Amino acid sequence: DSGVTQTPKHLITATGQRVTLRCSPRSGDLSVYWYQQSLDQGLQFLIQYYNGEERAKGNILERFSAQQFPDLHSELNLSSLELGDSALYFCASSVLGLAGGNEQFFGPGTRLTVL
Amino acid sequence: KNEVEQSPQNLTAQEGEFITINCSYSVGISALHWLQQHPGGGIVSLFMLSSGKKKHGRLIATINIQEKHSSLHITASHPRDSAVYICAVPTEMYSGGGADGLTFGKGTHLIIQP
Repeated sequence: DSGVTQTPKHLITATGQRVTLRCSPRSGDLSVYWYQQSLDQGLQFLIQYYNGEERAKGNILERFSAQQFPDLHSELNLSSLELGDSALYFCASSVLGLAGGNEQFFGPGTRLTVL
Repeated sequence: KNEVEQSPQNLTAQEGEFITINCSYSVGISALHWLQQHPGGGIVSLFMLSSGKKKHGRLIATINIQEKHSSLHITASHPRDSAVYICAVPTEMYSGGGADGLTFGKGTHLIIQP
């Protein structure tokens, strides 16, 4: 158990809908990352937040948005869903400020199926 | 943007064999990550290393910064080692600002047969 929690575990929805995925980082971790894993694209970095502020953006679509709240949990909002958005969405957390990079601890993932 | 290449893509071996998985990347980095993903989907961080060698149980990771290459070794492999092993590096060269979303290799599917 990494200490990172994600809800829900599974989500089935229809095209055009909007969903919210939730992540709680490990106690003490200030940074949250969101990743998408699909069969055709593999694992891709979406976005990173640090202590409530956006720190880095990866391959995140305009239909997707995220935020990190004062209690450090984070939400990833996916809207106007398409079939191709079906994937595993992982959240990870780390403690920033370490020289040379930061070990990331992954949550169990949310499996999104868009029908 | 950093590119990550892993080899082999698939590896089947017998229990007890010494396993090596290789990873190459294109841009200088601050640290490289080795991750393990089990069939259930969960991802576990195995190593983060920036130089030399690290060992944890039967797992050994090495990195050569000059050659932009890392290897993951498994000694005395066991069927429970069967998983996907993924190499990852920071997406942008480390600037010290803490922006370090990862770029991933395609993974090595390892099967250890009893």
